[in-house]
Amino acid sequence: QKEVEQDPGPLSVPEGAIVSLNCTYSNSAFQYFMWYRQYSRKGPELLMYTYSSGNKEDGRFTAQVDKSSKYISLFIRDSQPSDSATYLCAMNSGNTPLVFGKGTRLSVIA
Amino acid sequence: ETGVTQSPTHLIKTRGQQVTLRCSSQSGHNTVSWYQQALGQGPQFIFQYYREEENGRGNFPPRFSGLQFPNYSSELNVNALELDDSALYLCASSLQRGEEQFFGPGTRLTVL
Repeated sequence: QKEVEQDPGPLSVPEGAIVSLNCTYSNSAFQYFMWYRQYSRKGPELLMYTYSSGNKEDGRFTAQVDKSSKYISLFIRDSQPSDSATYLCAMNSGNTPLVFGKGTRLSVIA
Repeated sequence: ETGVTQSPTHLIKTRGQQVTLRCSSQSGHNTVSWYQQALGQGPQFIFQYYREEENGRGNFPPRFSGLQFPNYSSELNVNALELDDSALYLCASSLQRGEEQFFGPGTRLTVL
């Protein structure tokens, strides 16, 4: 079992839809959870950074962490074609290397 | 504020050659991490440097080596290149160890 599992998609949604992206993990020591957006042939861009369980909102983006289920989510409201990218979840337990999922490729169709 | 920069953007090498990739960390950041991202995969941790010392290493052979300079810029060296080393190499910097990591645009290495 991989430490972090993420459905690679692709996921295709119409413009304006609510997008739900998810990751599961196996290491209960993970405490810090991140979502990165990566456009084709570019470096990952940090979108959300959360600690432990709970929700965090930033504009159209909401990150949720459920440590009891070892499950994290990223919601994108009112999705736009410019949101089309690969979304990577990543996590660690503080001063340890980031462990990434494989990424989910999202296409938002106008 | 300048973000993380990497050079070169693209590189083509042949099997057995050696390569050096460079990274300039974001201003004030003293920690640099290197990752390898194969096509269709998430980034894999290679190693991290904190104040010029290696501070953790992933599951990569010794032919992957690195260096961090007093200005906190960093190099990744790969010797005896293999075809499987073809990937996007990413550098990320953070203000301190254990804090948010900000990535550069990457160097795309192709080994023929």
